[in-house]
Amino acid sequence: EVQLLESGGGLVQPGGSLRLSCVASGFTFSSYAMSWVRQAPGKGLEWVSSISGSGDNTHYADSVKGRFTNSRDNSKNTLYLQMNSLRAEDTAVYYCATLMGSGTYYEKYWGQGNLVTVAS
Amino acid sequence: DIVMTQSPDSLAVSLGERATINCKSTQSVLYSSNNKNCLTWYQQKPGQPPKLLISWASTREFGVPDRFSGSGSGTDFTLTISSLQAEDVAVYYCQQYYSTPPTFGQGTKVEIK
Repeated sequence: EVQLLESGGGLVQPGGSLRLSCVASGFTFSSYAMSWVRQAPGKGLEWVSSISGSGDNTHYADSVKGRFTNSRDNSKNTLYLQMNSLRAEDTAVYYCATLMGSGTYYEKYWGQGNLVTVAS
Repeated sequence: DIVMTQSPDSLAVSLGERATINCKSTQSVLYSSNNKNCLTWYQQKPGQPPKLLISWASTREFGVPDRFSGSGSGTDFTLTISSLQAEDVAVYYCQQYYSTPPTFGQGTKVEIK
């Protein structure tokens, strides 16, 4: 059974930093690209970033480019999202997800989500 | 970026009746390499993560009830719930994964009338 367990969220002041983690189990982690998707309170879904299985290739939404870093440690089956220079508009539940597809990729399995609140 | 627009924003359907949600993209999401449309449908219940229902516009995930079906091609897509059940109350999202960034529709809230 695929499981994705996120941690690291919480309350942070504007301009601060936070690192989210997503521990994966139930599949060969290094074989799958992964993504982060967020959802502001009461709002829809917004893709944040994706990373290849090897970690060599990453993509970011324009809204987080230069501030967020997506990385992974395949030896620990763990995905990370380093979030710097946080803004109020980054307040959201952050989901990690496995990517599936052929040539193009969609989110198949999702974690339970981790709330990040940016406020003073 | 490809913009995804769903209609309606919400709908109320009687138990056992059909629910239809539309999704339109600003450009074609037909992937020439496999001649499939890069379009997914997700179901999200309150307090839960999204659940993948359909990929490639019409391929239902294992375990998803067959009352859920997806159709369409190019820029126009539809999710149909053939006979609404109480457990289908949720928000439904379409997503295109044809190009980066992948983008979602704004969501359609389905309720019981």
